[in-house]
Amino acid sequence: AQSVTQLDSQVPVFEEAPVELRCNYSSSVSVYLFWYVQYPNQGLQLLLKYLSGSTLVKGINGFEAEFNKSQTSFHLRKPSVHISDTAEYFCAVSWMDSSYKLIFGSGTRLLVRP
Amino acid sequence: DAGVIQSPRHEVTEMGQEVTLRCKPISGHDYLFWYRQTMMRGLELLIYFNNNVPIDDSGMPEDRFSAKMPNASFSTLKIQPSEPRDSAVYFCASRPTSGAYNEQFFGPGTRLTVL
Repeated sequence: AQSVTQLDSQVPVFEEAPVELRCNYSSSVSVYLFWYVQYPNQGLQLLLKYLSGSTLVKGINGFEAEFNKSQTSFHLRKPSVHISDTAEYFCAVSWMDSSYKLIFGSGTRLLVRP
Repeated sequence: DAGVIQSPRHEVTEMGQEVTLRCKPISGHDYLFWYRQTMMRGLELLIYFNNNVPIDDSGMPEDRFSAKMPNASFSTLKIQPSEPRDSAVYFCASRPTSGAYNEQFFGPGTRLTVL
């Protein structure tokens, strides 16, 4: 079955430190990959997406992610986080044969401390 | 562009009552999705529509849940009767057929509390 794994439920980090949020998915069949961010009491907002081409994708708010097909991973990174980055981050995958479904990971809560 | 609109934003009801959640997708989007988010189960897809037709309702938890899309600009998710375990945040999302590569646009959610 198709699945998306975010191993870290919570990642605490100090302000201005770098951060990596991990995402792995179950199959190397052609996929579209997404990271969404959810701020408290809000809906999900698209952070970035990988459709094709360059494996390094840049998104909003200084975030970037790298698609690694051999490791079926799509880890999210930011070189220097801010307090305002505190939020829940969801990795989502759409397999090209999945009838337009997005499968979400369980989410990683990024907690930025001063 | 107003984005996906959901109402109400908060709903508190008593067990056994009927609950109706509403969603207006982004104009021109012909896919509509209903999700439920809980601490225990994360974000779950309940059902999705294409051109107002339900395509996959395998995520609907049980017969107490039903969803309709009478036209391209409106959808409802109904729970009857409601139970405390239905307490969750319910999201609606929409996307167009082409060009968005499955990117979905989410509404702000409805926080449902069943007492």
